[in-house]
Amino acid sequence: GQQVMQIPQYQHVQEGEDFTTYCNSSTTLSNIQWYKQRPGGHPVFLIQLVKSGEVKKQKRLTFQFGEAKKNSSLHITATQTTDVGTYFCAAGSGSRLTFGEGTQLTVNP
Amino acid sequence: KAGVTQTPRYLIKTRGQQVTLSCSPISGHRSVSWYQQTPGQGLQFLFEYFSETQRNKGNFPGRFSGRQFSNSRSEMNVSTLELGDSALYLCASSELAGGQDTQYFGPGTRLTVL
Repeated sequence: GQQVMQIPQYQHVQEGEDFTTYCNSSTTLSNIQWYKQRPGGHPVFLIQLVKSGEVKKQKRLTFQFGEAKKNSSLHITATQTTDVGTYFCAAGSGSRLTFGEGTQLTVNP
Repeated sequence: KAGVTQTPRYLIKTRGQQVTLSCSPISGHRSVSWYQQTPGQGLQFLFEYFSETQRNKGNFPGRFSGRQFSNSRSEMNVSTLELGDSALYLCASSELAGGQDTQYFGPGTRLTVL
């Protein structure tokens, strides 16, 4: 089945530093979704990328979909304590989503 | 619109028992997907239902089953519980197919098997 690898598994940053998480697949993806899960919470949808080379921004968050549609990244500029949580990428195929292992972000104030 | 609701929120069972979890999707959503989340395995896809039909199933044993009703509410059942079934069970609903559309997750049911 489809697999997506996500790195790093953990990231600790000082508030104000940037953060990036990467998602890679060995196969071409039809779409990639990103979710955020706060500690003790449930995953919350952030964005979906569909087009090759697509770049989308949400305030301090920048999402990219690779030209070959096999990789994606999420970059957060100037992290804040409210960014704490686990960020998951998920590859959509038909009626199922396959999630990456997630990157757990902690932010030191 | 009200969000996805799941009941119960917490459950403690013993090995060998069975359990039924319930999920009510967002009004108008016809797709309901179930996921198991554990610290070691992350978020694992269990199955997806659309208009009362199971359209996709993950790599879980037959002890895990589900169904969807005409009002789109869904239940999942785990029979002959094992210690390894302890997890957070999340359901998610969407308007379109589970892999092509925004998934709205419920708060989850935390199952502990003793």
